[in-house]
Amino acid sequence: GENVEQHPSTLSVQEGDSAVIKCTYSDSASNYFPWYKQELGKRPQLIIDIRSNVGEKKDQRIAVTLNKTAKHFSLHITETQPEDSAVYFCAASKGSNFGNEKLTFGTGTRLTIIP
Amino acid sequence: SQTIHQWPATLVQPVGSPLSLECTVEGTSNPNLYWYRQAAGRGLQLLFYSVGIGQISSEVPQNLSASRPQDRQFILSSKKLLLSDSGFYLCAWSVFGRLNTEAFFGQGTRLTVV
Repeated sequence: GENVEQHPSTLSVQEGDSAVIKCTYSDSASNYFPWYKQELGKRPQLIIDIRSNVGEKKDQRIAVTLNKTAKHFSLHITETQPEDSAVYFCAASKGSNFGNEKLTFGTGTRLTIIP
Repeated sequence: SQTIHQWPATLVQPVGSPLSLECTVEGTSNPNLYWYRQAAGRGLQLLFYSVGIGQISSEVPQNLSASRPQDRQFILSSKKLLLSDSGFYLCAWSVFGRLNTEAFFGQGTRLTVV
């Protein structure tokens, strides 16, 4: 089955600097790569996602890049703010129109923004 | 709009006692349903998923079981809890047969086995 590795496990950056979290996946058939943010004591929520037919996607201060050849994808947060402090999870799945395609998650990155 | 309910929010149970966590989804039909466990430093581990009533796939051999007695109800159970079952359990749902398999999570149950 799919295996998703995520690095680093913890990351501290100064407010205003950029943060980058990287993930690799093992199944070349995976075609959907979402990122989830989990604030302390809350449920994970989708913040951005990318499909395999796209190399990069951006939403304000958040961007995700995908390298299908190398089977890795990254989350980039620019101009970090205190509210960006959370645990971030990457995930991968083989989305299809034919049924359930489960998400496999990485182990998470605890991001701390230092004021 | 769709909502997902999961309860209880916290639970303290002695070793060897049974467990039943319930999850229900409203506002959608035939969802995919999932149970995840979140342990410190281990991310979100998929325990079970279901594509329909009575259809359960187990991802990890363990002391737990799952059932889906109704289309929008998913139950996580154990006959005898172990200390290692402690963790944060999350129920989630996604739309059946979608290219983008976004999962919507419940608020979670923090289980402590003592």
